[in-house]
Amino acid sequence: GENVEQHPSTLSVQEGDSAVIKCTYSDSASNYFPWYKQELGKGPQLIIDIRSNVGEKKDQRIAVTLNKTAKHFSLHITETQPEDSAVYFCAINAGGTSYGKLTFGQGTILTVHP
Amino acid sequence: SQTIHQWPATLVQPVGSPLSLECTVEGTSNPNLYWYRQAAGRGLQLLFYSVGIGQISSEVPQNLSASRPQDRQFILSSKKLLLSDSGFYLCAYILGSGQYFGPGTRLTVL
Repeated sequence: GENVEQHPSTLSVQEGDSAVIKCTYSDSASNYFPWYKQELGKGPQLIIDIRSNVGEKKDQRIAVTLNKTAKHFSLHITETQPEDSAVYFCAINAGGTSYGKLTFGQGTILTVHP
Repeated sequence: SQTIHQWPATLVQPVGSPLSLECTVEGTSNPNLYWYRQAAGRGLQLLFYSVGIGQISSEVPQNLSASRPQDRQFILSSKKLLLSDSGFYLCAYILGSGQYFGPGTRLTVL
């Protein structure tokens, strides 16, 4: 079945440092890789996504890189700020389209210390 | 623009009582809709998805059911709640290739 492993489970950085979260997956048919940010008590918010025909995508301080051969993709946050503190989830659309169904990683608790 | 609503925001129910959670989407037609459950603030588990009115697919066997009586309404139900049904329930819809979540319902079964 589909499987997504996300590391690390917790990440603590100083304000201004960079943060990197990595996910590995097993389903070679996956072609859509979103990242979500979830603040306490709220629903996950889509922050960036990438498709398998692209190797990297950037949006201001956040970027996602994809290595389809190695089956892993990463979220990069530069110049971190305290408001970046949240739980971050990666996901894949295992099996290709599959009606848009997503399989999620277990999440990374990011804490940015002022 | 599209918006997604969930009701209620929080719910405390006794074991054995029925459940009805509602999700509605505005600003789009015939969306794919999804119900997820999140336990202990980590890991989202897909419960049901629907590609149209009356069309429900279940992802995991459980004590819950879903219905889609209208194009933009998705309901999660149970006839008798179990303690293990406690969690954060999230509804989501698709726009383009992105999947967008509602604010969630926090369910506590006592």
